[in-house]
Amino acid sequence: EDKVVQSPLSLVVHEGDTVTLNCSYEVTNFRSLLWYKQEKKAPTFLFMLTSSGIEKKSGRLSSILDKKELFSILNITATQTGDSAVYLCAVVPPSFGNEKLTFGTGTRLTIIP
Amino acid sequence: DTAVSQTPKYLVTQMGNDKSIKCEQNLGHDTMYWYKQDSKKFLKIMFSYNNKELIINETVPNRFSPKSPDKAHLNLHINSLELGDSAVYFCASSQGAGGSYNEQFFGPGTRLTVL
Repeated sequence: EDKVVQSPLSLVVHEGDTVTLNCSYEVTNFRSLLWYKQEKKAPTFLFMLTSSGIEKKSGRLSSILDKKELFSILNITATQTGDSAVYLCAVVPPSFGNEKLTFGTGTRLTIIP
Repeated sequence: DTAVSQTPKYLVTQMGNDKSIKCEQNLGHDTMYWYKQDSKKFLKIMFSYNNKELIINETVPNRFSPKSPDKAHLNLHINSLELGDSAVYFCASSQGAGGSYNEQFFGPGTRLTVL
């Protein structure tokens, strides 16, 4: 069975710090890897990564995928209190039409003002 | 306008009861999902329907029965509720099968508490 593990499980930092969240996976094959941010309610989509070594960037957030070493990282620079959330990564199975996401355990990020 | 909506947002009930959670999406998507998120925030898929047809059915007790009256709605009925069913249940939708990955949009969740 596909397995996705995130680390750390929780992280507390001060506003302005930079954080790196990790997502490692044990899957035989996949189409893409996704990052979601979950605040109080529904997960919201951040990034989709399909190619190894190509960084995706959105404001202070960036993410990259390493298919050789089987992991992805999510970087947040100059953190703000609004970044406090649970960050989830998920892998998408290889077969088109199969949208069964396998989610990781999540990282709970807390930003202290 | 809410894209994916669920009702109720909170549900507190006694063990042994039967309850339903409703989900509606107004995005015109073909595929809808039910996820369960436990107290440790682990999100796990339960079911998926594509155009009213069941396409994903994970290892879920048969007390859980999804029903899709049309492609905009996917309801979840749970019989004989147990303590372990307490969780947040998320509905999601995506454009559907074929092509590159279709982003899933999540509803606000239904927090179910079984006493």
